Amino acid sequence: DSGVTQTPKHLITATGQRVTLRCSPRSGDLSVYWYQQSLDQGLQFLIQYYNGEERAKGNILERFSAQQFPDLHSELNLSSLELGDSALYFCASSERGNGNNEQFFGPGTRLTVL
Amino acid sequence: DAKTTQPNSMESNEEEPVHLPCNHSTISGTDYIHWYRQLPSQGPEYVIHGLTSNVNNRMASLAIAEDRKSSTLILHRATLRDAAVYYCISGSGNTGKLIFGQGTTLQVKP
Repeated sequence: DSGVTQTPKHLITATGQRVTLRCSPRSGDLSVYWYQQSLDQGLQFLIQYYNGEERAKGNILERFSAQQFPDLHSELNLSSLELGDSALYFCASSERGNGNNEQFFGPGTRLTVL
Repeated sequence: DAKTTQPNSMESNEEEPVHLPCNHSTISGTDYIHWYRQLPSQGPEYVIHGLTSNVNNRMASLAIAEDRKSSTLILHRATLRDAAVYYCISGSGNTGKLIFGQGTTLQVKP
């Protein structure tokens, strides 16, 4: 158990819908990261937050948005869902927000878009 | 972001050492070298990271070449539970983002 929690574990929805994925970081970790893992693209970095502020952005689609709240939990919002958005979404957290860190990954949310 | 090159797959026998190589020839001076692994049906798991000097922890050792263009992850005694995809990642600079490549699938034979 990494100490990072993600809800829900599974999500099944239809194209065009909007969903919210939630992540609670380890106690004391200030930085949260979101990653997407699909069969064809592998593990891709989406976005990083540090203490409530966006710190780095990857290939995150405009239909996707995220935020980190004052209690440090984070939400990833996916809208106008397409079949290709079906993937595992991982959240990770780290104490600091720089490269000299280990990241702790949650168990992931499996999103299926029908 | 620096790119890494790893073999697609490797095999090892149980209880023998495993050396997993990684090339990162475009690494910049401030980029750390990270290794993560992903067991089937789980999220990635941190293994080790370093900047210039060799590093050891309870899971593995990281040997970094003097010119920093390559590194080797060493598992001292492979177990069946070490069968996983191992990712070598360099870069991230002043952020913590991890840019994953395809990784090396390690198979451990009993």
